[in-house]
Amino acid sequence: GAVVSQHPSWVICKSGTSVKIECRSLDFQATTMFWYRQFPKQSLMLMATSNEGSKATYEQGVEKDKFLINHASLTLSTLTVTSAHPEDSSFYICSASPWTPTAYNEQFFGPGTRLTVL
Amino acid sequence: AQSVTQPDIHITVSEGASLELRCNYSYGATPYLFWYVQSPGQGLQLLLKYFSGDTLVQGIKGFEAEFKRSQSSFNLRKPSVHWSDAAEYFCAVGAVNDMRFGAGTRLTVKP
Repeated sequence: GAVVSQHPSWVICKSGTSVKIECRSLDFQATTMFWYRQFPKQSLMLMATSNEGSKATYEQGVEKDKFLINHASLTLSTLTVTSAHPEDSSFYICSASPWTPTAYNEQFFGPGTRLTVL
Repeated sequence: AQSVTQPDIHITVSEGASLELRCNYSYGATPYLFWYVQSPGQGLQLLLKYFSGDTLVQGIKGFEAEFKRSQSSFNLRKPSVHWSDAAEYFCAVGAVNDMRFGAGTRLTVKP
């Protein structure tokens, strides 16, 4: 249980184009989804938190107009990198958190998407 | 806000030797603690987690971790390392709708 998928697993695009990455919770409803970014040999940095049906909350320093996040349903969140540039090349990882009555809602991670912008 | 420190950036051990990866956290309340492993180009795999109860937690692949509140630590251990354990290891502390990762420790296993 608690499986999260991401699509695509890798993508190469030209500078100036937009890329959409999907994150799906396959066997549970995710009230909250998270998007992380990981540069080579570095840790995961939280980019934004999204709750189904509401606007995402972005971490300081993350451009909301560049990284568009949509959490339209309880099983799907999308991250769109708009007008991508080579510096946006990175490993993007999503996680999903089901609502539970307990105080802590564990995050389950997707396998990641490798974005390369030429 | 919570934070995690992994003091060792890179550790090398011989195959068959024991392993301990250090993790220290800062959090005002009872922490939810995790260890993840990441192979090159792959996503995160959960090794083990601590929410409450027994402070010695058993995980997958023969790993265990001990929560020590007095030392704010959650060190990961394995009695005998295998070559396939070479990877990046991340400690994380979680709160409601928030999770912070350490910088990671890269493990190299010598034959």
